[in-house]
Amino acid sequence: GAVVSQHPSWVICKSGTSVKIECRSLDFQATTMFWYRQFPKQSLMLMATSNEGSKATYEQGVEKDKFLINHASLTLSTLTVTSAHPEDSSFYICSASQGLVAELFFGEGSRLTVL
Amino acid sequence: GQNIDQPTEMTATEGAIVQINCTYQTSGFNGLFWYQQHAGEAPTFLSYNVLDGLEEKGRFSSFLSRSKGYSYLLLKELQMKDSASYLCAVMDSNYQLIWGAGTKLIIKP
Repeated sequence: GAVVSQHPSWVICKSGTSVKIECRSLDFQATTMFWYRQFPKQSLMLMATSNEGSKATYEQGVEKDKFLINHASLTLSTLTVTSAHPEDSSFYICSASQGLVAELFFGEGSRLTVL
Repeated sequence: GQNIDQPTEMTATEGAIVQINCTYQTSGFNGLFWYQQHAGEAPTFLSYNVLDGLEEKGRFSSFLSRSKGYSYLLLKELQMKDSASYLCAVMDSNYQLIWGAGTKLIIKP
């Protein structure tokens, strides 16, 4: 199947710093990429949907100025958590698809711990 | 509102068969997905149903009844590595994925 690579897998940072997470589709062009957050023992929560070359669509309650999403090319999307705080500690997962109704391919996930 | 229901946790024995149910109420329907997620890892795709009936893929099968808003994932010949959470997700009329909370499956020897 298709491969989506997410980096870094683990990141620990100090409160107030910014963290960038990359999501790459390695062998296909992803028209749409999704960013999720998952707290322990909970389901995936969609944060935003990004389409290449346009602004991301954020879900209700997600601060667009805090979670900056850039989808500069058909193979790369980035999520930047700005001025991270301990409550932002979570498992962040990206996924990519080749179309509206298509299989979602997930990245490995990035575990963020903010001290 | 939109809602996906699936059991929180199930336990089964190695070598046995287990059925994980999922019921949904969504604004429109453009398919139902099942994903497997091991602890600390990202989900992996298992199946996609858009028409009524049973889709078989090796030890895993998925069934859909659109009229009943119901699906199940059937796992046969259970192995210890099948211990994971199984997520049901429905794509609504706006092509948004609505996720269930997941069913934690515990396999005992």
